[in-house]
Amino acid sequence: QKEVEQDPGPLSVPEGAIVSLNCTYSNSAFQYFMWYRQYSRKGPELLMYTYSSGNKEDGRFTAQVDKSSKYISLFIRDSQPSDSATYLCAMSAEYSSASKIIFGSGTRLSIRP
Amino acid sequence: DAGVTQSPTHLIKTRGQQVTLRCSPKSGHDTVSWYQQALGQGPQFIFQYYEEEERQRGNFPDRFSGHQFPNYSSELNVNALLLGDSALYLCASSLAGEIRQPQHFGDGTRLSIL
Repeated sequence: QKEVEQDPGPLSVPEGAIVSLNCTYSNSAFQYFMWYRQYSRKGPELLMYTYSSGNKEDGRFTAQVDKSSKYISLFIRDSQPSDSATYLCAMSAEYSSASKIIFGSGTRLSIRP
Repeated sequence: DAGVTQSPTHLIKTRGQQVTLRCSPKSGHDTVSWYQQALGQGPQFIFQYYEEEERQRGNFPDRFSGHQFPNYSSELNVNALLLGDSALYLCASSLAGEIRQPQHFGDGTRLSIL
């Protein structure tokens, strides 16, 4: 069993829709949770990070963490064609920025104009 | 402010050869981590360098080795290349001891093994 499981998609939604991306994890030591966006032929770009259960909002993006269920989500409101990319959930056991990061396999998202 | 830069962007090698990939961290960062991303998969941690020493290592064979220089730049070396080593190799930089701040990734080197 992988430490981090992520729905691979692909996921295709119309412009303006609300998108929900999800990951589950098995290692209860994970304390620091991140979402990265990766465009084709580019490196991962950090979207959001959080280190506690609950919600964190940044513009059209909301990250949700439920440590009791070992489940994290990323919601995208008013989705745009420019949001089309692969979304990677990621987590680490320490708060330090130098910690080893464990990634999910990524969900490929396409927003239809 | 230059971000993480990697070179080359694309490389083609044959089985059994050796390869060296290079990374310059974001200005002000002193820690470099390397990841391997196979097609359709998430990045997998290879190892991390700090103060010119390997500090952490993932589940990769000894064919994968690295180095960090006094200016914090880093190299990833892979010996005896296998077809399965074909992947995007990503470098991430960070500042040691920085709490609750993310690692910054470069755009990677795409390695193809024929």
